[in-house]
Amino acid sequence: AQTVTQSQPEMSVQEAETVTLSCTYDTSESDYYLFWYKQPPSRQMILVIRQEAYKQQNATENRFSVNFQKAAKSFSLKISDSQLGDAAMYFCAYRCPPGYGGSQGNLIFGKGTKLSVKP
Amino acid sequence: DTAVSQTPKYLVTQMGNDKSIKCEQNLGHDTMYWYKQDSKKFLKIMFSYNNKELIINETVPNRFSPKSPDKAHLNLHINSLELGDSAVYFCASRNRGQETQYFGPGTRLLVL
Repeated sequence: AQTVTQSQPEMSVQEAETVTLSCTYDTSESDYYLFWYKQPPSRQMILVIRQEAYKQQNATENRFSVNFQKAAKSFSLKISDSQLGDAAMYFCAYRCPPGYGGSQGNLIFGKGTKLSVKP
Repeated sequence: DTAVSQTPKYLVTQMGNDKSIKCEQNLGHDTMYWYKQDSKKFLKIMFSYNNKELIINETVPNRFSPKSPDKAHLNLHINSLELGDSAVYFCASRNRGQETQYFGPGTRLLVL
């Protein structure tokens, strides 16, 4: 069964600095998707970035980038120039390939990392 | 304009009651999901559904049942509510061939 592990329950970063959130996963599939979602206190789940496993190039979205190491099954999120609005829970998620074990592409989440940003 | 909406946003009820949470998406997506987020913030899939197939996570009690009156709606019915059902429930949707799921704002359920 696929699992997603976020080993850092909490992280803290100084405003304008850079922080990296860790995520590892376990799967026997070769084609899949990985995501980072942000959940601020408002509770809304917001997609930050996604990575397709068959693409070697790391995804980037403005200040957010990933370090995808397929062989190591690692998918870390780097936030550059941290802002106060980045404070939130961050969830790493793996998407089951449709049809795998009857899946319709649901997400498997890690337990989250709570990020605090200090002014 | 909301892509995925849920009602109500908050639900407080007594043990043993039956309640429903509604979910609607106006994105034209063909697959919808229900996730449960427990008190420790852990998110877990409960159901996934398209217009042909319902897949139930085996750990979900049969007191929970999704009902889809049409392609744009997937409601969650909960019978005989228990204290452990207190959580935030998220609806999400996705279109076949696309990878991103869009989440609703969540419904916070508190069972007293």
